[in-house]
Amino acid sequence: DAGVTQSPTHLIKTRGQQVTLRCSPISGHKSVSWYQQVLGQGPQFIFQYYEKEERGRGNFPDRFSARQFPNYSSELNVNALLLGDSALYLCASSLERQYEQYFGPGTRLTVT
Amino acid sequence: KQEVTQIPAALSVPEGENLVLNCSFTDSAIYNLQWFRQDPGKGLTSLLLIQSSQREQTSGRLNASLDKSSGRSTLYIAASQPGDSATYLCAVTSPRGGSNYKLTFGKGTLLTVNP
Repeated sequence: DAGVTQSPTHLIKTRGQQVTLRCSPISGHKSVSWYQQVLGQGPQFIFQYYEKEERGRGNFPDRFSARQFPNYSSELNVNALLLGDSALYLCASSLERQYEQYFGPGTRLTVT
Repeated sequence: KQEVTQIPAALSVPEGENLVLNCSFTDSAIYNLQWFRQDPGKGLTSLLLIQSSQREQTSGRLNASLDKSSGRSTLYIAASQPGDSATYLCAVTSPRGGSNYKLTFGKGTLLTVNP
């Protein structure tokens, strides 16, 4: 079975621009979570979606938004990019929200 | 607020050595604890999951223990190999009974196994 997939792999954007990152969960998994990992740190929780509804939000500004589609795939949007948004963005899926989470390869975002 | 600490931040050992990585968390109301491996610039690979009611889990050369009351977990790696070189991350799912089952991560331990 395919694991969690994310696209694109790498992305370079300019300050002030907007970006959309995509995630496809493992087949049958209903929950998708997004994490931001800056260099040298552990991942930080951004959002959790379950059955197409937002079930949790981390300490991130309103420039960050997400949604989950009927097929359980998800998009993370970041508006008005700042240099500090440069990071590895990780998507994780799980069968239910509290179960073992499986991570994708991540999207490396560089803001210049 | 849940906080996770991993000690040491970095560890360098010769091949074949047994080693222990440590993880501590401040709030014992966790649902489970996961250990992950991360290679440079890559995503996370789940190694072991311990439910809050369990004391340990084993997979091959890896053994993870959990002492929820003291807020501690250890990852034991037997007979280390150069291929084990990576960053190891500990994360807890909390809060138990809450509506938001997020993972809270430590900063990781960078392991280097020298041939």
